[in-house]
Formats: sequence, structure tokens, C-alpha cells
Amino acid sequence: QQPVQSPQAVILREGEDAVINCSSSKALYSVHWYRQKHGEAPVFLMILLKGGEQKGHEKISASFNEKKQQSSLYLTASQLSYSGTYFCGVISNDYKLSFGAGTTVTVRA
Amino acid sequence: DGGITQSPKYLFRKEGQNVTLSCEQNLNHDAMYWYRQDPGQGLRLIYYSQIVNDFQKGDIAEGYSVSREKKESFPLTVTSAQKNPTAFYLCASSKAPPGTTMNTEAFFGQGTRLTVV
Repeated sequence: QQPVQSPQAVILREGEDAVINCSSSKALYSVHWYRQKHGEAPVFLMILLKGGEQKGHEKISASFNEKKQQSSLYLTASQLSYSGTYFCGVISNDYKLSFGAGTTVTVRA
Repeated sequence: DGGITQSPKYLFRKEGQNVTLSCEQNLNHDAMYWYRQDPGQGLRLIYYSQIVNDFQKGDIAEGYSVSREKKESFPLTVTSAQKNPTAFYLCASSKAPPGTTMNTEAFFGQGTRLTVV
């Protein structure tokens, strides 16, 4: 079952912040975040593991609340290069990597 | 250079024909995945494999088949039973050993765009 992402889309001006949420109905072992530019393959951003470990990538960070089976991705001081579609992927006890429907981020100058 | 290669990049198929999409990786990864991408639906898992000669159905396996005879190869066959096969197909691999919860990243190929004509 696919995790649920929100919002579906967000439009930002350079320098603004945004939060993308990901939730699952199943207990999770890990959460992955990827970004895909139009016509390209998804690119890995970070992994979050059980234990609430928070990882960062430049000005993009994320958190994982395993009790609530939720993760959030934080885009801080957004840059034009942050535009793309962000996907969360989750791993539960069946070991399969399932992705959400994605959140399209558009950063404007 | 190590990586994951999908071929062909574009594929056209007539209705009623089976077609096989290739996915090869030289990263020595154990796990391999096939996803289908349609606008607004994200990446939906078709099949995945954690070890040679073993694979499991994902969320939308109907109308598809796979094999995993070699560690580096995980071809996907789109059969005539797939009602709406036109889509973008992505293959991925990761280092996760069998039975683990995959705490390493997945690497994606560049995808194959399949069109039924």
C-alpha cells in the first residue's frame, strides 16, 4: 500500500520554506526521500531509520516519527534547483520499497 | 563506471504483443525493483527481488512477469494481459541483503517509456 503524501503541489518563491508530509498505515522500518526532475530518474536525498534519527542534505532536512508512522521533509530557504517532484518511499516488514504519489515543488525567482 | 542501465529508452508495442524491458546493474546489488510511473500516481511497485531466483509481487503485478536468473539482471515482461501498458517504467537496485530492511539508498535507471500503438 502506497504511503500518502501532502500537499500534492506547492509553489514557492526563492528563499521561502516548505514542508512535505508522508504518512503510512503500516509500521515502518525506514523512510526514503527522493527528488525527480522532469524526464529524469529519481535521485536519492536521504534515509531515515527507526529511532527518530534526523538526516540532512544541504538545506533540506527530514524527520521520522515511527510511532505515528510519519515523516516530514523540510525545504529551507528554497533555491531554484529545489524544483521537482519529491517522493517518499517506505519500508515495512515486507521489505518492499513503496512510494507515495509525489509532491510537485515549483520554486520561482 | 558502476550504474543501472535500462533499455530501450523508448519502446512501441502493438496491442496484443508481449514486450520485455531490460534492466542491468553492475553495482553488485542484491535487491532490484520495477516501478511504473503515471502522471499523478507516483511510483507504483510492480515486482521486486531480493535475491537471485526469487521475486515477489508488488502492488500492481497483474499483466507483468519478471525473472531473476542473474544477480545483475532483472527483466520485466509486459504481457498482453496488461490492460493499459502505456507508461514510464523505472528499474531500481539497492545493496540490501535478503531479509533486511534496506537502510541503503536505491539507484534508479533512466527509465523506458512504453507506448502501445
